[in-house]
Amino acid sequence: AQTVTQSQPEMSVQEAETVTLSCTYDTSESDYYLFWYKQPPSRQMILVIRQEAYKQQNATENRFSVNFQKAAKSFSLKISDSQLGDAAMYFCAYRSLEGFGANSKLTFGKGITLSVRP
Amino acid sequence: NAGVTQTPKFQVLKTGQSMTLQCAQDMNHEYMSWYRQDPGMGLRLIHYSVGAGITDQGEVPNGYNVSRSTTEDFPLRLLSAAPSQTSVYFCASSRDGTGWEKLFFGSGTQLSVL
Repeated sequence: AQTVTQSQPEMSVQEAETVTLSCTYDTSESDYYLFWYKQPPSRQMILVIRQEAYKQQNATENRFSVNFQKAAKSFSLKISDSQLGDAAMYFCAYRSLEGFGANSKLTFGKGITLSVRP
Repeated sequence: NAGVTQTPKFQVLKTGQSMTLQCAQDMNHEYMSWYRQDPGMGLRLIHYSVGAGITDQGEVPNGYNVSRSTTEDFPLRLLSAAPSQTSVYFCASSRDGTGWEKLFFGSGTQLSVL
């Protein structure tokens, strides 16, 4: 079974600065998907960015980018030019590519709470 | 376009009571799922469905039932509520269950079982 670890429960960043959120995972599979989801105080989960494991190029979505290190099984999220609206809980998630079944589920980390100081 | 709609937003139950959490999506998504979110635990999959008439168990299915009679609706039934089922419940859907498709989440149901 896959596991996803987010070891930092909380982080804080100054507005306009850059912050990196860490995520590691454990799997025996060679191909899979990785995701970062954001959960603001409104509670609704929103996809931030996703990465296909077979692609070496790191995914980027505007101010959000990832540092994907497949050998190290690391998938960190970098938020540049942090804004007050970035304050939320962030979840790292893993999804297997092997068929539907139980492997079609997302395995989530425990989340990290990001606060943004004005 | 409403997306994924969950009702109710809040619910308080007594131990032993039953209830149904409603979930509906208007995006013609094949894949729908239910998660529960507990403090310090992340989200855990309860049940999922890859199409009308097809459901399967996730990671923590005990105490819950689901059915998928239409593409749009995926209700979650608590058979006999227990305090351990106090949690925030999320319904999520995606175009298919292949894994790459973005999951769309509802706004959650806060359930307390006394």
